[in-house]
Amino acid sequence: DTGVSQDPRHKITKRGQNVTFRCDPISEHNRLYWYRQTLGQGPEFLTYFQNEAQLEKSRLLSDRFSAERPKGSFSTLEIQRTEQGDSAMYLCASSQDSPNTEAFFGQGTRLTVV
Amino acid sequence: GENVGLHLPTLSVQEGDNSIINCAYSNSASDYFIWYKQESGKGPQFIIDIRSNMDKRQGQRVTVLLNKTVKHLSLQIAATQPGDSAVYFCAEPDSSASKIIFGSGTRLSIRP
Repeated sequence: DTGVSQDPRHKITKRGQNVTFRCDPISEHNRLYWYRQTLGQGPEFLTYFQNEAQLEKSRLLSDRFSAERPKGSFSTLEIQRTEQGDSAMYLCASSQDSPNTEAFFGQGTRLTVV
Repeated sequence: GENVGLHLPTLSVQEGDNSIINCAYSNSASDYFIWYKQESGKGPQFIIDIRSNMDKRQGQRVTVLLNKTVKHLSLQIAATQPGDSAVYFCAEPDSSASKIIFGSGTRLSIRP
């Protein structure tokens, strides 16, 4: 297993367009997290899944954001009608069962909305 | 548990010297802490963790110290190398133990 994989690494989109990011976690990990990180800040929690169930969503996750993990394996994060304020690094992480164990992060998808 | 902060935003260290990065936390019930390293353009990389039943844990060139009395932890990097240049985050599970929360980070730069 090569770790957590995210695709694409970079995305430039025009304001108002929809974008979708994919995350492939480490295969035996039950938990999958999405974070957003802006320049000079630490990662901010967006949402997480336990297997296929989405158990928590941050207030940062507006109605334009939706995440899925249909088979409990890979996950997608979609942003509809993108705004310039959505420009950030979107990070995916996975862990076994709980955050009280190591969480491994992917390399992130850098989104630029122009 | 919801407030993991860092003392300094930047730290400059001479190559070969030891680096000490500090972090304060507010929840005395916190029982697990993690240090991550993030290089430019990359995702955070796990360095070392420590549980509250320990005061010290050592890895390869890194040591984490936990002082529960003053709710403080530190990351010590021995013989700092250019490859150690990065932003370092302390992190911990939130009060509901559902996700990890991060502080704002300390940027470590190495002087040749």
